[in-house]
Amino acid sequence: GQQVMQIPQYQHVQEGEDFTTYCNSSTTLSNIQWYKQRPGGHPVFLIQLVKSGEVKKQKRLTFQFGEAKKNSSLHITATQTTDVGTYFCAGRLQGGSEKLVFGKGMKLTVNP
Amino acid sequence: NAGVMQNPRHLVRRRGQEARLRCSPMKGHSHVYWYRQLPEEGLKFMVYLQKENIIDESGMPKERFSAEFPKEGPSILRIQQVVRGDSAAYFCASSPLTGAKNIQYFGAGTRLSVL
Repeated sequence: GQQVMQIPQYQHVQEGEDFTTYCNSSTTLSNIQWYKQRPGGHPVFLIQLVKSGEVKKQKRLTFQFGEAKKNSSLHITATQTTDVGTYFCAGRLQGGSEKLVFGKGMKLTVNP
Repeated sequence: NAGVMQNPRHLVRRRGQEARLRCSPMKGHSHVYWYRQLPEEGLKFMVYLQKENIIDESGMPKERFSAEFPKEGPSILRIQQVVRGDSAAYFCASSPLTGAKNIQYFGAGTRLSVL
């Protein structure tokens, strides 16, 4: 079945550092969404990417959808302690069901 | 506009009992999704429902699990004869539309513990 892989699974950074996390699908996606889940909380929608090569920015977060619509990346600049949490990407198959296939997430911890 | 409401937030059951998890979607949303999350894991899709219809249940275990979304009232995820392996967080999400506009909004989840 369709798989969505996220790397790395864990990321520990020093406050102020930049980093990038990646999301790769085994199949072409119609769109991809990113969610953030704080410890003990629930997933909160961050962004949706639909077009091939699309780039969207939210303050210090930059999201990109690959040209082949099979991968995505999230880049965070000047990481802050408020960025702590688990970031999930979720993809929807082209021509498929409305269901989202979630990656296992990238757990971010920040050293102040 | 209230968000997606799930109750109970925490549910403790003994092995063999039934668990009923409720989800009221956001106002105006007619699509409901259920996910299961084990500790340190991602969200695993279980079922997608619209009012009175199950659209996609490809993620539902074949036995003991069922879901409904009646014309009136919340969506219900029902687990019969629970076992320890059912212990997890169960999240419900709702969306107003399908396709590219299908952005899912999650409830706070129900944490099920099976003793």
